[in-house]
Amino acid sequence: ILNVEQSPQSLHVQEGDSTNFTCSFPSSNFYALHWYRWETAKSPEALFVMTLNGDEKKKGRISATLNTKEGYSYLYIKGSQPEDSATYLCAPDSGGGADGLTFGKGTHLIIQP
Amino acid sequence: GAVVSQHPSRVICKSGTSVKIECRSLDFQATTMFWYRQFPKKSLMLMATSNEGSKATYEQGVEKDKFLINHASLTLSTLTVTSAHPEDSSFYICSARKGGLGNTIYFGEGSWLTVV
Repeated sequence: ILNVEQSPQSLHVQEGDSTNFTCSFPSSNFYALHWYRWETAKSPEALFVMTLNGDEKKKGRISATLNTKEGYSYLYIKGSQPEDSATYLCAPDSGGGADGLTFGKGTHLIIQP
Repeated sequence: GAVVSQHPSRVICKSGTSVKIECRSLDFQATTMFWYRQFPKKSLMLMATSNEGSKATYEQGVEKDKFLINHASLTLSTLTVTSAHPEDSSFYICSARKGGLGNTIYFGEGSWLTVV
């Protein structure tokens, strides 16, 4: 069982501010890292699948970086908006294509107007 | 992105009865689907991997006779909670990978099961 840590567990951010949070995972047997945004009563939405050390991906105001050697990824949100309020989950992908993901507990982000 | 649909979204059943949850990949074929359960304030816990045309692979500690998984086609997997007990009440969610290792895994909407 993989040990996936996300911090902080919850975060309150003022609208318009930028924020970031962390996902730590075992660096051995790494293949990819998945980030998801999960809004209440909806399906988790896939944000990024990252594979390369040093990789940076961007989707609108959200971006993520990856360090596979030390086993961490940062997710950044620039100019937070109320619609960014959600739980953000990360999961390393280290097995074969038939293996499920091991998720962290998530970072619960609340954007305050 | 791809779509995975899960049904029902909420179900209440009596203790001792069985309840079936369906997971469908609507616009792609999935030879493998995954079933998760979430306990309060915990992360999504992988219960089992559903394999089309063969037996599911269960994670350690998950009772295969309690949680029956059938993957009869490339677009449908079902989870049946048999002889349900109140402690089976939980949030269950399925997912499917579109393509091979490293490809995006898409989730259904999840199902809230309450056993009374």
